[in-house]
Amino acid sequence: NAGVTQTPKFQVLKTGQSMTLQCAQDMNHEYMSWYRQDPGMGLRLIHYSVGAGITDQGEVPNGYNVSRSTTEDFPLRLLSAAPSQTSVYFCASRPGQTNEKLFFGSGTQLSVL
Amino acid sequence: AQSVTQLDSHVSVSEGTPVLLRCNYSSSYSPSLFWYVQHPNKGLQLLLKYTSAATLVKGINGFEAEFKKSETSFHLTKPSAHMSDAAEYFCVVSFYYNQGGKLIFGQGTELSVKP
Repeated sequence: NAGVTQTPKFQVLKTGQSMTLQCAQDMNHEYMSWYRQDPGMGLRLIHYSVGAGITDQGEVPNGYNVSRSTTEDFPLRLLSAAPSQTSVYFCASRPGQTNEKLFFGSGTQLSVL
Repeated sequence: AQSVTQLDSHVSVSEGTPVLLRCNYSSSYSPSLFWYVQHPNKGLQLLLKYTSAATLVKGINGFEAEFKKSETSFHLTKPSAHMSDAAEYFCVVSFYYNQGGKLIFGQGTELSVKP
């Protein structure tokens, strides 16, 4: 199993550009989520989904959109990138809403100039 | 409000000495608690979790943590540090009953291990 796959690993954007961070999992997990990691702030939840067609906001959703058309995929869209969105982004999944462990992708390092 | 606080942003130990990484939480509900580890340029890996069974939880690589409800703490320990333990550690709390299982991450503790 590949687990949770994130692409790209690195990305540089100019302010105002848009892009999509891809996340796919092959474990048939219902729950998927996006976090951003910034120094001294731990991981903060951006958006999450408890199943196909269902998404909800986390702590820091502004500037980001998500959709969940399939169980496997959970892309994160930056509509108009800002320097404040420079961060490392992690996608994670787990089975259902139980308190089971999260499976993390390897991360995407994003720089917005 | 629910929150989690890691009391040290950086801990430095010598190889072979004990490790203590401190975590306190605040909640009106019974939490589930996790410790995750992140090695440089890698994703996060689960070390251990507490979900209202035994209060002393054993994890991978010799780590363990004790849930103390009276102190609202979940400190991570290891009797003898190894060089490979150098990483960032995150204490994580899940408040299932009122937030649908969303996780709240602490700010992280960077562990350095000196030879």
